[in-house]
Amino acid sequence: GEDVEQSLFLSVREGDSSVINCTYTDSSSTYLYWYKQEPGAGLQLLTYIFSNMDMKQDQRLTVLLNKKDKHLSLRIADTQTGDSAIYFCAESLLNTGNQFYFGTGTSLTVIP
Amino acid sequence: DGGITQSPKYLFRKEGQNVTLSCEQNLNHDAMYWYRQDPGQGLRLIYYSQIVNDFQKGDIAEGYSVSREKKESFPLTVTSAQKNPTAFYLCASSTYRLAGAKNIQYFGAGTRLSVL
Repeated sequence: GEDVEQSLFLSVREGDSSVINCTYTDSSSTYLYWYKQEPGAGLQLLTYIFSNMDMKQDQRLTVLLNKKDKHLSLRIADTQTGDSAIYFCAESLLNTGNQFYFGTGTSLTVIP
Repeated sequence: DGGITQSPKYLFRKEGQNVTLSCEQNLNHDAMYWYRQDPGQGLRLIYYSQIVNDFQKGDIAEGYSVSREKKESFPLTVTSAQKNPTAFYLCASSTYRLAGAKNIQYFGAGTRLSVL
């Protein structure tokens, strides 16, 4: 099956930028998504990018997609303590319809 | 107030017992999903359903069962055959889309299952 990888932990200082990375193996991805999970809660969609795009900006969030290297990143500008959470990347593939493949999740800790 | 409701929030299972986790949505979504979350392993798909009275196994279906008798409801039963059921269980739903189309999954708040 599809393999989606993320590093497990990231720590940044408040006010700095955070960059969370994700790699995947299946080149037939159609859309890629970023979700945020706060402690003890479900997942909340942050943003998504169509696989034919290479960048998308949404307020403090910037998504970069390098389809050749199968690499996705999420940059959070001016990181705040409220951004501390687990971040998941996910992809949907051309041939698997509505099924998502999730990464392992990156736990972001923002240090005041 | 549209959304996905999972209950209970916490659940305890005794050895040899089946337990059922509830998931209800009022978003009029056709597709529903069950995921299991373990620390450091991300989300793994247990079962999914794209239409009433139909469902498919995901990557880790063994020891679990589901039903989809109503569009709004997709309960998950953790059977006694699931030897390591302690985890956080998440239910999600989405509109049904043809392959290749944008599709957003919306999640419930989760049920934490522990073994006594």
